[in-house]
Amino acid sequence: EDQVTQSPEALRLQEGESSSLNCSYTVSGLRGLFWYRQDPGKGPEFLFTLYSAGEEKEKERLKATLTKKESFLHITAPKPEDSATYLCAVNTGTASKLTFGTGTRLQVTL
Amino acid sequence: NAGVMQNPRHLVRRRGQEARLRCSPMKGHSHVYWYRQLPEEGLKFMVYLQKENIIDESGMPKERFSAEFPKEGPSILRIQQVVRGDSAAYFCASSPVGAINSPLHFGNGTRLTVT
Repeated sequence: EDQVTQSPEALRLQEGESSSLNCSYTVSGLRGLFWYRQDPGKGPEFLFTLYSAGEEKEKERLKATLTKKESFLHITAPKPEDSATYLCAVNTGTASKLTFGTGTRLQVTL
Repeated sequence: NAGVMQNPRHLVRRRGQEARLRCSPMKGHSHVYWYRQLPEEGLKFMVYLQKENIIDESGMPKERFSAEFPKEGPSILRIQQVVRGDSAAYFCASSPVGAINSPLHFGNGTRLTVT
């Protein structure tokens, strides 16, 4: 059975304090790893898709990387508006049937 | 720029009643997915539908739950005889094609509370 584990569960950063979120996965055959952002009371918002080890993608202050066993979401000089829950998900089979981790709740303070 | 629309946003039902959750996919999208998010748990896949077809329902509970996506109108997730354990946020997502490189676009969910 596919498993996705995210750490830490919660992370509190000061504005400008860079850090990384981890997503480790155990799957039978990875066909895509996805990062989403979820704000309270909202649905997940797509950030990145990564397909193969060594791949990296960037968007503003976020950078996602992928190895054979885990993915990292690096946040550089975060701002309060980056506060959200960040979700990692894997696709190992049919279309977009995703297996999600439980997320990392990020809080960025002034 | 209409995204995935779900209604109602909040739904309260008493034990034993029926709950109907609606989802209109993004314009041009013909694939719909339903996920459930329980408190302190991750999003769990329930069902994947195309117009008039259920493609994968491996995440649906065997009893009381059903889903449809008719030729006309929204997709419906129906829960009969609700129990307290059905209380959760139910999210619908859509994609334009079934390929894995099509990211899912999620609605803002329906929060079901069973009293």
